[in-house]
Amino acid sequence: EIVMTQSPATLSVSPGERATLSCRASQSVSSNLAWYQQKPGQAPRLLIYGASTRATGIPARFSGSGSGTEFTLTISSLQSEDFAVYYCQQYNNWPLFGQGTKVEIK
Amino acid sequence: EVQLVESGGGLVKPGGSLRLSCAASGFTFSSYSMNWVRQAPGKGLEWVSSISSSSSYIYYADSVKGRFTISRDNAKNSLYLQMNSLRAEDTAVYYCARDLYCGGDCTSPFDYWGQGTLVTVSS
Repeated sequence: EIVMTQSPATLSVSPGERATLSCRASQSVSSNLAWYQQKPGQAPRLLIYGASTRATGIPARFSGSGSGTEFTLTISSLQSEDFAVYYCQQYNNWPLFGQGTKVEIK
Repeated sequence: EVQLVESGGGLVKPGGSLRLSCAASGFTFSSYSMNWVRQAPGKGLEWVSSISSSSSYIYYADSVKGRFTISRDNAKNSLYLQMNSLRAEDTAVYYCARDLYCGGDCTSPFDYWGQGTLVTVSS
């Protein structure tokens, strides 16, 4: 059974700074990895799929990298609207989400 | 514009049943696999069930297998989740979500989500 582990649980960042979020799979998921953003009271929004492809309408400041078991979501310069919880999801087999990383204002 | 609108949530006693619906519009519903994903209060996301475009492939998370049934009516552009033998741990917001690119026996990220419907299981 695959386990998805995100780190850190909480990331404190100042606006304009770079944020780097990690997601680790307990076994290879190839590039079948997506990232979602969720704000309070809202549904998740797809940001990245295929580990590195931005979804439609997603700003270029969001980028994804990695393959196999190690993945990273980078937000190059945090805007006020980027403070949210971010989830990774593997879809190599049954969909499975990580526990989330909360990006908060420092 | 793609829209997914869930309904049917509410308060139900342990052991009870509830049927959720998801009305889809703005896309060719019959071409896409669909999913239910839930989120317990203050917790993360949990995939619940998936159904392929023609209902040929259906999958469930172990946590709901044997209790929940997913179905769809392509003529009505609607997705359903019949939930039986409900437990306190089933309390969550339930989202319907569309597969980005899968219609059959395959996996895909989820590109459109509804606003969710809250199911509370409590005596």
